[in-house]
Amino acid sequence: AQSVTQLDSQVPVFEEAPVELRCNYSSSVSVYLFWYVQYPNQGLQLLLKYLSGSTLVKGINGFEAEFNKSQTSFHLRKPSVHISDTAEYFCAVTMPYNNNDMRFGAGTRLTVKP
Amino acid sequence: ETGVTQSPTHLIKTRGQQVTLRCSSQSGHNTVSWYQQALGQGPQFIFQYYREEENGRGNFPPRFSGLQFPNYSSELNVNALELDDSALYLCASSPRTGGGEAFFGQGTRLTVV
Repeated sequence: AQSVTQLDSQVPVFEEAPVELRCNYSSSVSVYLFWYVQYPNQGLQLLLKYLSGSTLVKGINGFEAEFNKSQTSFHLRKPSVHISDTAEYFCAVTMPYNNNDMRFGAGTRLTVKP
Repeated sequence: ETGVTQSPTHLIKTRGQQVTLRCSSQSGHNTVSWYQQALGQGPQFIFQYYREEENGRGNFPPRFSGLQFPNYSSELNVNALELDDSALYLCASSPRTGGGEAFFGQGTRLTVV
């Protein structure tokens, strides 16, 4: 079965600095990969997804991620963060053609400081 | 186009009681999944419903059960509540069961005392 590991539980960063949130996945077959953001007391909002094609995926709010099959990674990046980016970020994986049992990582808490 | 809506937003129950949580899927979506998110953790898959039939289940006991209605809305029922059932319960809808992202509701915060 597929699984996801988010390598950092907390990432503090100053406003306007770049950030990378790391995600590694494990699967014996091809996968679909997602990044979701969760603001306090809210549900999950999709930032971006990789289904196939170009390995560089651009999402909302200036975020992007790169799918690296050889390293089984899907790291999330933003060149310049804002205070409003402070939230919990989740990496998730499913198998193609079957989105039941979406597996989530434990989350990375991004804190942007002024 | 309305998104995924869940009710109630907060709920407090006593150990041993039963609870029903409700979810209205996004317009045009025929697949609904339920997740449990304990404090400080990622969401854990409970089960998925596709066209009113269960279409996959995670590692949750039978006291967690569900329904999907002809309009694709869904219910999650939990019997014999335990303290560890305290969590945020998230509903997600998808336009199909075969891949692609899930669209999440705001969740129901259940507290068992």
